[in-house]
Amino acid sequence: GDSVTQMEGPVTLSEEAFLTINCTYTATGYPSLFWYVQYPGEGLQLLLKATKADDKGSNKGFEATYRKETTSFHLEKGSVQVSDSAVYFCALSEPNFGNEKLTFGTGTRLTIIP
Amino acid sequence: DAGVIQSPRHEVTEMGQEVTLRCKPISGHDYLFWYRQTMMRGLELLIYFNNNVPIDDSGMPEDRFSAKMPNASFSTLKIQPSEPRDSAVYFCASLEGRSLDEQFFGPGTRLTVL
Repeated sequence: GDSVTQMEGPVTLSEEAFLTINCTYTATGYPSLFWYVQYPGEGLQLLLKATKADDKGSNKGFEATYRKETTSFHLEKGSVQVSDSAVYFCALSEPNFGNEKLTFGTGTRLTIIP
Repeated sequence: DAGVIQSPRHEVTEMGQEVTLRCKPISGHDYLFWYRQTMMRGLELLIYFNNNVPIDDSGMPEDRFSAKMPNASFSTLKIQPSEPRDSAVYFCASLEGRSLDEQFFGPGTRLTVL
C-alpha cells in the first residue's frame, strides 16, 4: 500500500538557518504530493503541492520538488523565521487510481529560535 | 466561504457519556473526511464520505464510533460510550470532487474524556 516516510523530529533551528525536511514515499502509480502545515492550536493547511514528476511546489519561501527517480519530495526553505514554527506533514494521494484519501507521514515538529 | 466549520471546539465529558462532534464542509465539496490526532498515533483517517455515502470506514477504531452524513452540508461523528483513550483532537476536512486537489481542514474539536 501507499506510505510516506518523513524525517523524525523535533527539529530546532536558529532564525535565518536553512531548512530541509526529508520525505520519501511509496505509491502504486503516480501520486500527487503535498506538504501540509499545522500551526499551534489549528487545523492542517496546505503549504504546497506537486502533481507530476519534476514539478516544483512553492509557497511562503518553501519549496519542494517531485523526484520520481528517488521517490522523494523534500521540503526546503532558505531562511527560516520564528513564525515558521509548526508541525509539517508530507502526504500523497492517488486520485487517478480512485484513491482520494491522503496518506500522511508522521509529521515533523519544527521550532525556530530567535 | 467560511471554510470547514466544526463544533464544539472543545468538549470535556466523563467516561461512559455519549459525545457528538459536528462538521459543516465547504459548500460544493463532495468529499468529507474525519481524522483523529493524538501524540501517540499521529494523524489517523477514521472514515470518509463521497456524496454523503461512506466510502471507507476501515479506520473507525471500534463499534463505539459511528459517523453519518445526512446531507451535503452536515456530518456527525458519535462516540458512545466514550472512554478516556478517545481523548484526542478530531478534525473534519472536505474536498472538491471535480479537482481532487486540496483537502481543507476544520479547526478541530479537542475532546477530553475524564
